[in-house]
Amino acid sequence: QKEVEQNSGPLSVPEGAIASLNCTYSDRGSQSFFWYRQYSGKSPELIMFIYSNGDKEDGRFTAQLNKASQYVSLLIRDSQPSDSATYLCAVNLRYNFNKFYFGSGTKLNVKP
Amino acid sequence: GAVVSQHPSWVICKSGTSVKIECRSLDFQATTMFWYRQFPKQSLMLMATSNEGSKATYEQGVEKDKFLINHASLTLSTLTVTSAHPEDSSFYICSARDQGRVNINEQFFGPGTRLTVL
Repeated sequence: QKEVEQNSGPLSVPEGAIASLNCTYSDRGSQSFFWYRQYSGKSPELIMFIYSNGDKEDGRFTAQLNKASQYVSLLIRDSQPSDSATYLCAVNLRYNFNKFYFGSGTKLNVKP
Repeated sequence: GAVVSQHPSWVICKSGTSVKIECRSLDFQATTMFWYRQFPKQSLMLMATSNEGSKATYEQGVEKDKFLINHASLTLSTLTVTSAHPEDSSFYICSARDQGRVNINEQFFGPGTRLTVL
């Protein structure tokens, strides 16, 4: 079983819609959760991170964490074509904070 | 702030040669840097953790004699792919943790180095 699982997509949404990206993880010792965006041929860039259960909002982005159900999601409001990219979920363990486990990523297409 | 650079951004080499990739934290000190490899349409796989002034910690299945890591200063780590073969062709990405930040688990990624071995 993979540590972090994501639907590979592609997820297609029209411009202006809400894009919902999901990620599940297997280790209940997971402590920190990160969402990265990666454009084709580029390295990942951090969008946001979340540590506590609940929602965390940053501009058009909202991260949601549910530790009991072991999932973390990312909502993108008012999606723009420039949001089209692969979104990587990364999880960090309490007992090994050096190591990030990355999901395989979900490809998002925002259609104009 | 928190900028990480890599050099070169791309390299093409012949099979059997060695290639050195540099990773620098430009505006912060990083006692710990990380090297990842990403094959097409796959996620990032951690290869090793580079520790300033000490030996790197390699992930299972990564040959330490093939992928030499040196972290000689607080702002520079190098990865040398020795005796490169076509199967080593990949996108190599480094990241660094800013020790001065409160959220110390954040990793900031370099722009990556695309290695093609002919």
